[in-house]
Amino acid sequence: AQSVAQPEDQVNVAEGNPLTVKCTYSVSGNPYLFWYVQYPNRGLQFLLKYITGDNLVKGSYGFEAEFNKSQTSFHLKKPSALVSDSALYFCAVRVGGYQKVTFGIGTKLQVIP
Amino acid sequence: NAGVMQNPRHLVRRRGQEARLRCSPMKGHSHVYWYRQLPEEGLKFMVYLQKENIIDESGMPKERFSAEFPKEGPSILRIQQVVRGDSAAYFCASSDREEDGYTFGSGTRLTVV
Repeated sequence: AQSVAQPEDQVNVAEGNPLTVKCTYSVSGNPYLFWYVQYPNRGLQFLLKYITGDNLVKGSYGFEAEFNKSQTSFHLKKPSALVSDSALYFCAVRVGGYQKVTFGIGTKLQVIP
Repeated sequence: NAGVMQNPRHLVRRRGQEARLRCSPMKGHSHVYWYRQLPEEGLKFMVYLQKENIIDESGMPKERFSAEFPKEGPSILRIQQVVRGDSAAYFCASSDREEDGYTFGSGTRLTVV
């Protein structure tokens, strides 16, 4: 079985400050890890993924995420938050060789002007 | 490339009626997934299909729900005899290769009255 935990329902950060949205996972096997963003009344948009290789992956809109195998974490980060980053963020995991992706419950990011 | 197309965007059904949700995957994508989103519950996997085959339906309720992805035409998620608890946003996603992220449609918001 595979699962994802996003321990924070909401994260508040001041504009211009760095942000972190946390994610931990549990899988049997090597994980493929993803971050998606959802704006109100829209579908999810792909931000970035980790498959293999460098533990720090860079994605869209200045976001990056760090894969930490020992802590089974894949936290999303951005050096300087924008008000337009306010949205719902989902972490997701799949195991290689199996197509189904399991999503976390989502974390609402609020960037305060 | 039009991306993943879902229709209708909004669907209102009375209790006991049937709901049909359509999804045309991104051009070239052969894998289709349906997810249901409820407030405070995140995205729940329902079913994974390839052309003319159901690969994984472990998230589908045993009764009233069915899905297909015919050789020609869109994927269909069918809910028979809808109840108020079926009210949710239903998202379709597609992918090509295993290591790719999903591309999501904008969703169908079903309201049962």
